[in-house]
Amino acid sequence: RKEVEQDPGPFNVPEGATVAFNCTYSNSASQSFFWYRQDCRKEPKLLMSVYSSGNEDGRFTAQLNRASQYISLLIRDSKLSDSATYLCVVNRNTGGFKTIFGAGTRLFVKA
Amino acid sequence: SQTIHQWPATLVQPVGSPLSLECTVEGTSNPNLYWYRQAAGRGLQLLFYSVGIGQISSEVPQNLSASRPQDRQFILSSKKLLLSDSGFYLCAWSVIRGQGKSPLHFGNGTRLTVT
Repeated sequence: RKEVEQDPGPFNVPEGATVAFNCTYSNSASQSFFWYRQDCRKEPKLLMSVYSSGNEDGRFTAQLNRASQYISLLIRDSKLSDSATYLCVVNRNTGGFKTIFGAGTRLFVKA
Repeated sequence: SQTIHQWPATLVQPVGSPLSLECTVEGTSNPNLYWYRQAAGRGLQLLFYSVGIGQISSEVPQNLSASRPQDRQFILSSKKLLLSDSGFYLCAWSVIRGQGKSPLHFGNGTRLTVT
């Protein structure tokens, strides 16, 4: 079992749709959590950090459930430009600081 | 503000040739530095990380090596490339903040094709 698991997708949604990505992590010592976006043949870019109280940035909402070891990303009113791979990322400090990347969920938003 | 520079952007090299990829970070001191590789259609694989000058940790056995000759410079090398070394190589940096670590920030990557 991978330490950070995501549904690989792809998710195919029409413009304007709401789409939710889920992620689970197995190490309870995980400390901080992030969502990254990676466009085709480009580097991953930080989309947003995920806080325990949940946080929102425009059309994007991230939530964390430490008890269930579950992270989510909600995208409202999808745009064509949201098409990308979304990576769930977890930092932990056991045996040194480690950053663990999920394999990513591919999203296609279509007109 | 911090910036990370990675070069070259693309590289085509024959099997058995040497490799040197360079990465530099500006605007921060004593960063943690990382080399990742991403094969086509796959996830990120951590190759090396460094918490300081001359301190290199290797995550996977391979024919690659890394060096950190200066605080903000990280170099990925190989003496003899294999076909399986083809991929997208990404340099990244982070800093330790309080009890945790900042998110990783990536360079633009080097797309290496070994022929």
